[in-house]
Amino acid sequence: EDQVTQSPEALRLQEGESSSLNCSYTVSGLRGLFWYRQDPGKGPEFLFTLYSAGEEKEKERLKATLTKKESFLHITAPKPEDSATYLCAVQLLISSGSARQLTFGSGTQLTVLP
Amino acid sequence: DGGITQSPKYLFRKEGQNVTLSCEQNLNHDAMYWYRQDPGQGLRLIYYSQIVNDFQKGDIAEGYSVSREKKESFPLTVTSAQKNPTAFYLCASSMGMNTEAFFGQGTRLTVV
Repeated sequence: EDQVTQSPEALRLQEGESSSLNCSYTVSGLRGLFWYRQDPGKGPEFLFTLYSAGEEKEKERLKATLTKKESFLHITAPKPEDSATYLCAVQLLISSGSARQLTFGSGTQLTVLP
Repeated sequence: DGGITQSPKYLFRKEGQNVTLSCEQNLNHDAMYWYRQDPGQGLRLIYYSQIVNDFQKGDIAEGYSVSREKKESFPLTVTSAQKNPTAFYLCASSMGMNTEAFFGQGTRLTVV
């Protein structure tokens, strides 16, 4: 069964304290890995898509990286407004060459204290 | 502004009643999706549609129904057959199945 596991479940950081969130997956035929940010009571906001091992993408204080079995979301010098739940999702290739729908992890709830 | 609009934001339903959640997009996206989110769990796919007049069941379709009569609209009906309907429902759309999905702001359904 396809599995997407995010760790830690919750993370509290002081403002300026850099850290990383992990998303590991036990799937074969990965087409893409997606990162989203979700604020309480809101819909997820798209951040990044990664397609191949070694790929990196950056946006402000966030940098996403991908290996063959996991992805990291690095947060550099976070601010309180970075507090949110960060979701990752994987998309698989199926035998016909098209993509399956996304499989989401349970998320990491990040709190950045001032 | 382009985007995905879900309505209502909050919805209360009595047990035994059907209820329909609205989802409209003006992004000209072909694919649309409905997800359910429960506390501490990831998003789970209910139904998805790649083109008008066509849709497929996701992982948890039992007790739900959808229609896709227009490209812009993908309403979800939560029927009385859904045993545990209280949840946060999210609609999303994408250009195609191979591209990133964009989400609406969600509808919180509570059965009273």
